[in-house]
Amino acid sequence: DIVMIQSPDSLAVSLGERATINCKSSQSLLYSDNNNNYLAWYQQKPGQPPRLLISLTSARESGVPDRFSGSGSGTDFTLTISSLQPEDVAVYYCQQYYRTPYSFGQGTNLEIK
Amino acid sequence: EVQLVESGGGLIQPGGSLRLSCAASGFTVSGDFMNWVRQAPGKGLEWVSVIYIAGTTYYADSVKGRFTISRDTSKNTLYLQMNSLRAEDTAVYYCARDVPSLNWGQGTLVAVSS
Repeated sequence: DIVMIQSPDSLAVSLGERATINCKSSQSLLYSDNNNNYLAWYQQKPGQPPRLLISLTSARESGVPDRFSGSGSGTDFTLTISSLQPEDVAVYYCQQYYRTPYSFGQGTNLEIK
Repeated sequence: EVQLVESGGGLIQPGGSLRLSCAASGFTVSGDFMNWVRQAPGKGLEWVSVIYIAGTTYYADSVKGRFTISRDTSKNTLYLQMNSLRAEDTAVYYCARDVPSLNWGQGTLVAVSS
């Protein structure tokens, strides 16, 4: 099974500053036939289901602000929020969908400093 | 508009069984990958199971042999039959469309306790 490890577990960033969350997989998520990395990022606020932000490592879903960006390849991935806004306070999860079981990272709790 | 509405959760004793339902609208459950994902109180997300368009199913090791995912095309509903429930199965159970999952229900709480 593919294990997903996020760092840090918790992060406090000032409004307007950059937030960076890392995600490492125990196996490569790169599918060589199409050069796609099967990694997604979700945002979850208290009492709500997760919201898909990014798929295929860097493809933002419709309606997701462009301050959110994803990068990486192989086993190392990053979610970056370029300028933190109050509404970005949430827990963020990465998920691999390269193969089942479609495992999640343990989550990163993002707060305002 | 896509909607997913879970039901069937509740308080159940260890060793008991429950069947969760996820009523879908705005799309057909047989035309997409459909997942169950759970979240224990105060914990992170755990992927539980998927059913592919062709009907192939996969499970997390933690539920394999105890849980069964299925769908009813006539009712456009996804199910999760949960048997031999344990305390560690206590969680909010979400159904989610596709992989990765753009659409999620609001979840249904399953509490396993004596």
